Amino acid sequence: NAGVTQTPKFQVLKTGQSMTLQCAQDMNHEYMSWYRQDPGMGLRLIHYSVGAGITDQGEVPNGYNVSRSTTEDFPLRLLSAAPSQTSVYFCASRARGGPGANVLTFGAGSRLTVL
Amino acid sequence: AQSVTQLGSHVSVSEGALVLLRCNYSSSVPPYLFWYVQYPNQGLQLLLKYTSAATLVKGINGFEAEFKKSETSFHLTKPSAHMSDAAEYFCAVTTTEGGLRFGAGTRLTVKP
Repeated sequence: NAGVTQTPKFQVLKTGQSMTLQCAQDMNHEYMSWYRQDPGMGLRLIHYSVGAGITDQGEVPNGYNVSRSTTEDFPLRLLSAAPSQTSVYFCASRARGGPGANVLTFGAGSRLTVL
Repeated sequence: AQSVTQLGSHVSVSEGALVLLRCNYSSSVPPYLFWYVQYPNQGLQLLLKYTSAATLVKGINGFEAEFKKSETSFHLTKPSAHMSDAAEYFCAVTTTEGGLRFGAGTRLTVKP
């Protein structure tokens, strides 16, 4: 049981380049989300999804796109990277109900540097 | 809207001393509250959660937290710090959208 898997772990981009951060979970969780972590600011929600075909914006959505074509995958796309998007990105998922509801399981993170 | 304030971005204690990490919340609905821990270069791991059952919640690694509605607090404690407790700790509250809003984090240093 792998949990939440993020790739790549590290990435360096130039300003204006595009890329996709991948996130996959094998726990059949309906809820998936992306956070960014910046020093002194904790984690801030970028986008989230409550199920396949449904996505919504979080606190800091500008500059990022997401899609949810399957229950397992929730990729995060940067269309035109900017230095302000230098951060550590975490994908997290949780079950919809039961004892695991509201408890987020996090991936190991993806460290992105935009030059 | 829901929010969390963690008092103190850095806390330093001696090994064997009491650990107290402070968290105050604001929520327009009865909150679910969480403490997560992050070790260097790792993701976040759940320490404990409050979901409206017992107000004193016990978590992993000897940590516990008490929900105090009158003080809107959910402070994290451990009676005796261990070197392996050195990490960053995050308090979080559920949002009406179903996600979590995190505090800015408290970095715990444990001195030998």
